[in-house]
Amino acid sequence: KAGVTQTPRYLIKTRGQQVTLSCSPISGHRSVSWYQQTPGQGLQFLFEYFSETQRNKGNFPGRFSGRQFSNSRSEMNVSTLELGDSALYLCASSESGTGPGQPQHFGDGTRLSIL
Amino acid sequence: AQSVTQLGSHVSVSEGALVLLRCNYSSSVPPYLFWYVQYPNQGLQLLLKYTTGATLVKGINGFEAEFKKSETSFHLTKPSAHMSDAAEYFCAVSEGFQKLVFGTGTRLLVSP
Repeated sequence: KAGVTQTPRYLIKTRGQQVTLSCSPISGHRSVSWYQQTPGQGLQFLFEYFSETQRNKGNFPGRFSGRQFSNSRSEMNVSTLELGDSALYLCASSESGTGPGQPQHFGDGTRLSIL
Repeated sequence: AQSVTQLGSHVSVSEGALVLLRCNYSSSVPPYLFWYVQYPNQGLQLLLKYTTGATLVKGINGFEAEFKKSETSFHLTKPSAHMSDAAEYFCAVSEGFQKLVFGTGTRLLVSP
């Protein structure tokens, strides 16, 4: 099986712009989660989607949003970009997502740099 | 809310030596615990997980971890370090649906 695929791998934007990141989960996985990784704050949970519904959300401003499509692919959008949004954004998928103990499988991330 | 503390941002060992990476958790409910490894320019790879049952969990690449409820710990060990083990290691606890709360990570350095 192919792993979690994130596109693009690298992205450079300027302040004020918006960006959309894409994640294709492992085939058959219905839950997709997003995380932000920075040197200062570490790994932080953004949100999780299951069957096109957001089930869980972290403590990020409303500029961060996401969605999930019927084929379980997910997108994450960040509007009005700030310098502090520079980070590695990781997507993870898991099978049914019906229990907290299910392992999540991560993609290689999208590295977003804000100039 | 759950939390994880990883003692030591950097751990250095010699090749062939014991690897011990420490993780303590705080959880108001029985925890689901994970160890992940991250190599440069890559995502996170699952090493092992503890959900219920046996407290000694074996993972990939010769790693194992022991869940100790009385000590609220889930330390990661490997009997003999290999150069290829050099990476950053993250301990995590599950909080709700598919939300992982991560520790700050420990960078493992392996010298020849």
